[in-house]
Amino acid sequence: GESVGLHLPTLSVQEGDNSIINCAYSNSASDYFIWYKQESGKGPQFIIDIRSNMDKRQGQRVTVLLNKTVKHLSLQIAATQPGDSAVYFCAENIRGTALIFGKGTTLSVSS
Amino acid sequence: EAGVAQSPRYKIIEKRQSVAFWCNPISGHATLYWYQQILGQGPKLLIQFQNNGVVDDSQLPKDRFSAERLKGVDSTLKIQPAKLEDSAVYLCASSLSYDKTQYFGPGTRLLVL
Repeated sequence: GESVGLHLPTLSVQEGDNSIINCAYSNSASDYFIWYKQESGKGPQFIIDIRSNMDKRQGQRVTVLLNKTVKHLSLQIAATQPGDSAVYFCAENIRGTALIFGKGTTLSVSS
Repeated sequence: EAGVAQSPRYKIIEKRQSVAFWCNPISGHATLYWYQQILGQGPKLLIQFQNNGVVDDSQLPKDRFSAERLKGVDSTLKIQPAKLEDSAVYLCASSLSYDKTQYFGPGTRLLVL
């Protein structure tokens, strides 16, 4: 079936380090991928997205890498800050159908 | 630009009672979504509207859940009667169209006792 999973439920880093959050997807037909950040008590906040015709996309302090060969997605956060502490979800979309979310990785940043 | 608005933010009810949630999407967004997020999990789509028409309600428990978007703007989600397992955060999201980025509201936290 269709599913999006994350490799680690939690990730702890020091302030200033680079963080890498990984995600594996199962459906090779997925053509759109999104990373969301969800802080406690809030709705998911869009971070960055990537379409299947790309393998890398950069934003402000964030980079998403897509490896379609092994069906792997990662989110890299440069110079992680305490404000980056949150749950991060990857989600996939197949030809405009419903977004499918994984279970999330909790990022904890200590100063 | 104003984001997606939802109300109420919190609701506590007893099982078998009814409850309704309201969502106002970002202005101009044709597509509106309702998700259920159970504690510790990612959001799960309940229903998707394109303007005032339903696109996908395959995961909506239709015996107790209903949703409408009569004028193609605001939407309401209703649960009647509520069960204990309905305790969750109900998130509304909107997008310009079905294949564009979805933006989420703050959610309504429902506790069924």
